[in-house]
Amino acid sequence: DIQMTQSPPSVSASVGDRVTITCRASQDIGGWLVWYQQKPGTAPKLLIHDASILQSGVPSRFSGSGSGTDFTLAITSLQPDDFATYYCQQAHNFPFTFGPGTKVDIK
Amino acid sequence: QITLKESGPTLVKPTQTLTLTCTFAGFSLTSGVGVGWIRQPPGKALEWLALIYWNDDKRYSPSLQSRLTITKDTSKNQVVLTMTNMNPMDTATYYCAHPIRTGFDYWGQGTLVTVSS
Repeated sequence: DIQMTQSPPSVSASVGDRVTITCRASQDIGGWLVWYQQKPGTAPKLLIHDASILQSGVPSRFSGSGSGTDFTLAITSLQPDDFATYYCQQAHNFPFTFGPGTKVDIK
Repeated sequence: QITLKESGPTLVKPTQTLTLTCTFAGFSLTSGVGVGWIRQPPGKALEWLALIYWNDDKRYSPSLQSRLTITKDTSKNQVVLTMTNMNPMDTATYYCAHPIRTGFDYWGQGTLVTVSS
């Protein structure tokens, strides 16, 4: 199985801050990576697919980059609605695997 | 508009078999798409379980493969996931979701299944 790691596990930030989250795969997954946002008690929401393509309707302050084994999710000018947990997921090989999540909370 | 909704028991006893149904709308399993299942134990990360494609190709998590079965009923727009020999570690919210090339773009609301005697 491909192992996914994320850093940091959590980050405290203020409205207006720039936040970056890193996801690393245990082997080359090309661009087969997605990012989700999840708020408590709700299903994950797809933010970024194919490593860098913004899902329709997602604000442009979210961006994804990377390929191979190292990926980044960036949130510019953090908004109150962005406080949530973020997960990466690889779809290069079965079984699909998720990262452990990064919680973004209010400083 | 694509929607998915999970249904099934909220409480199962250890050793029992769990049967969950995903009822979807807005797409058909007759061509080019699929449905996946993902679970999330309370306070923990997401775990992919299984996926069935329109052509009946089925994929399972290797760690759970011996306990999982995924099937589809195209006429009813439903996908069913069964998990045998349930134990307390299987307590989780179970989601079904619509896959795209690299992820899942539409998710059901999830159903919390508790395993307890």
